Amino acid sequence: DAGITQSPRHKVTETGTPVTLRCHQTENHRYMYWYRQDPGHGLRLIHYSYGVKDTDKGEVSDGYSVSRSKTEDFLLTLESATSSQTSVYFCAISGGLYNEQFFGPGTRLTVL
Amino acid sequence: GQQLNQSPQSMFIQEGEDVSMNCTSSSIFNTWLWYKQDPGEGPVLLIALYKAGELTSNGRLTAQFGITRKDSFLNISASIPSDVGIYFCASRRDAGNKLTFGGGTRVLVKP
Repeated sequence: DAGITQSPRHKVTETGTPVTLRCHQTENHRYMYWYRQDPGHGLRLIHYSYGVKDTDKGEVSDGYSVSRSKTEDFLLTLESATSSQTSVYFCAISGGLYNEQFFGPGTRLTVL
Repeated sequence: GQQLNQSPQSMFIQEGEDVSMNCTSSSIFNTWLWYKQDPGEGPVLLIALYKAGELTSNGRLTAQFGITRKDSFLNISASIPSDVGIYFCASRRDAGNKLTFGGGTRVLVKP
């Protein structure tokens, strides 16, 4: 299994509060991604990173920001959480010969 | 944007049956991937396909990259109870690393 951990694994928060989710990898891969998974929408890319301090938006980036100060860590921040951001969030990494993406175990976020 | 149409959306399996699912698009892709997701976990990569016409197996799983580069299928032979889960196709169009995902096929066991 790819060495990817996510923390926390579960979080309940209130509307308007800031939330930060962490993704940590031990594979030294260049690329890291944040997805959200919702019923009826599948997996949708929020943001991704192609190197330290290099990030770009995905298809559903509004309301989210990311930071990558070290190769191994990719943070996803909801500055002011809303109920529409209740979802399961997955981090993924890619690198190596074929650059295939491998996923972390997910974080279930509930915004009340 | 790019879309992958995955079918069926759900299916019931009986132990020992062979099952098949597919993914189609109106766009051409260079890579097709198949993932499986168990409840409460992240998707796990099952098979990766890189060339049109390529047929690849992983145990009881077989997947093919369509010759038109617009589709792919996944077969599961002699299904067992642990095959239940959600199977996703994903594809990549260009040299970039961003993937497009299908909506998933939910595999359930016949009661």
